[in-house]
Amino acid sequence: GQNIDQPTEMTATEGAIVQINCTYQTSGFNGLFWYQQHAGEAPTFLSYNVLDGLEEKGRFSSFLSRSKGYSYLLLKELQMKDSASYLCAGGGGGSYIPTFGRGTSLIVHP
Amino acid sequence: DAGITQSPRHKVTETGTPVTLRCHQTENHRYMYWYRQDPGHGLRLIHYSYGVKDTDKGEVSDGYSVSRSKTEDFLLTLESATSSQTSVYFCAISGDRGGTGANVLTFGAGSRLTVL
Repeated sequence: GQNIDQPTEMTATEGAIVQINCTYQTSGFNGLFWYQQHAGEAPTFLSYNVLDGLEEKGRFSSFLSRSKGYSYLLLKELQMKDSASYLCAGGGGGSYIPTFGRGTSLIVHP
Repeated sequence: DAGITQSPRHKVTETGTPVTLRCHQTENHRYMYWYRQDPGHGLRLIHYSYGVKDTDKGEVSDGYSVSRSKTEDFLLTLESATSSQTSVYFCAISGDRGGTGANVLTFGAGSRLTVL
């Protein structure tokens, strides 16, 4: 499986922009996912990148660079409800099943 | 919302007892998965299924078994629970990968298991 690395925790201010980075092994890469998980709840799908570049979905955007094994999730106009854990997950090694990173806990404060 | 339910949602049991967690889906999806989530480890795959009676091991399968006798149901069994199996267990489903090739998982609400 993939070796996924992302920061453990980040803090940001309401209304600001935050970028959550994720690195992964490029061998056998098969797509990069981002999921959001609020405390005590199930993860929910946010985005998927398989080609290089930026995918924008409202306040959330996800970027991928396959040559660098790097992705980031960009959250704009942060709201208090964005406080959650953000999970980076990658498929690789020929497997269609994504391997999850440990998640980045984002705390948004007023 | 995808039709995926887990039961029980909470369970407290003692070391050495058998435990079965159930995942039920109404989406007719082919693929089903069991993950466990622990602080500092993230989501780790226990077992998965790619069809009725077709299952395979994930990265943390020791001490767990699964069965899938119907498309709708995927059972996770701990034959003899240990304290190290105290965790939150998530079931997930996915269907055909579609034009993008993305294997998007939809998760159940989770089952919190405490082994004393």
